[in-house]
Amino acid sequence: AQTVTQSQPEMSVQEAETVTLSCTYDTSESDYYLFWYKQPPSRQMILVIRQEAYKQQNATENRFSVNFQKAAKSFSLKISDSQLGDAAMYFCAYSDFGNEKLTFGTGTRLTIIP
Amino acid sequence: DTAVSQTPKYLVTQMGNDKSIKCEQNLGHDTMYWYKQDSKKFLKIMFSYNNKELIINETVPNRFSPKSPDKAHLNLHINSLELGDSAVYFCASSQVADLEAFFGQGTRLTVV
Repeated sequence: AQTVTQSQPEMSVQEAETVTLSCTYDTSESDYYLFWYKQPPSRQMILVIRQEAYKQQNATENRFSVNFQKAAKSFSLKISDSQLGDAAMYFCAYSDFGNEKLTFGTGTRLTIIP
Repeated sequence: DTAVSQTPKYLVTQMGNDKSIKCEQNLGHDTMYWYKQDSKKFLKIMFSYNNKELIINETVPNRFSPKSPDKAHLNLHINSLELGDSAVYFCASSQVADLEAFFGQGTRLTVV
């Protein structure tokens, strides 16, 4: 069974600084998708960024980028120029075509210090 | 326009009652899901439907029964509610070819 591990229950960062959230996963599949979702206090689940495993290039969305290391099964999220609105729970998630559901990590609560 | 909408947003009910949560998506997706988020924020799949057919049923008690009248709707009915059912329930949808899930705003169920 696929598993997703987020080893940082909480992280904090100064406004305008850069922070990296860690995620590792376990799978025997070669083709799969990885996602980072953000859940602010409003509880809405918002997709931040996605990575297809067959793509070697790391995904980037504005201030958000990932470091995808397929061999190491690692998928970290880097947030640059942190803003107060980035404060939220961040969930790493995995999905593959034989098992079309999201398997989530336990989440990392990110606090932005003004 | 809301892509995935679920009602109600909040539900407070007594133990033993039966309640339903409704979900609708206007994205044209062929797969819909129910996820449960517990008090520790852990998210776990409960059910998935593809074109009205049940695909995933993740060891959920029989008191929980999903129903999909068409591929745009997926409802969740819960019988004989228990204190441990208190959680946030999320509906989501995706295209099978894409796997990116779009979530509703969640329903916070509180059983007293």
